[in-house]
Amino acid sequence: NAGVTQTPKFQVLKTGQSMTLQCAQDMNHNSMYWYRQDPGMGLRLIYYSASEGTTDKGEVPNGYNVSRLNKREFSLRLESAAPSQTSVYFCASSLDGNTEAFFGQGTRLTVV
Amino acid sequence: QKEVEQNSGPLSVPEGAIASLNCTYSDRGSQSFFWYRQYSGKSPELIMSIYSNGDKEDGRFTAQLNKASQYVSLLIRDSQPSDSATYLCAVKRGGSYIPTFGRGTSLIVHP
Repeated sequence: NAGVTQTPKFQVLKTGQSMTLQCAQDMNHNSMYWYRQDPGMGLRLIYYSASEGTTDKGEVPNGYNVSRLNKREFSLRLESAAPSQTSVYFCASSLDGNTEAFFGQGTRLTVV
Repeated sequence: QKEVEQNSGPLSVPEGAIASLNCTYSDRGSQSFFWYRQYSGKSPELIMSIYSNGDKEDGRFTAQLNKASQYVSLLIRDSQPSDSATYLCAVKRGGSYIPTFGRGTSLIVHP
């Protein structure tokens, strides 16, 4: 039982490059989330998808786009990476709006 | 204004003691409450969920919820050095899909 799987685990980008972070869950969850975590800032929500076919902005959406490809997969795209996007990114999923979220192992992204 | 507040710590306790971690929240519509543990360099891992007032016990962990006073706490009995981590409190408003996280409390259990 893999749970929530993120790829890649580590990535180094140059300023201006683009990339997509992939996330897949095998728990048949309806809701999925993308967070970033920076020292002293805690977890901040970038985007979320309450259910397949819907996406909404979170607290810090600027510079990111998302796609809920199907019920299992929720990707995060950086179109033009900036050093301020250096962070650890976590994908999470939950069964519905009231239940607990489960996290992937994270992607450590460095933009130089 | 941050909606979920936690003391950043570090909270230092001796091995075998009870560690008490506290979290307060501002949204009276909050219905779901969660405690996560995060080891350095790892992802948050769910410890417990609590939805109604009172205590909920799971092994060495007890979550306590008081909606009237708007706080939720986590007690860790017989603390072990392996419990040393950052503990995150998360809160969900009823009908909301978005959990709001506190910034976490660092716990150090020393032998």
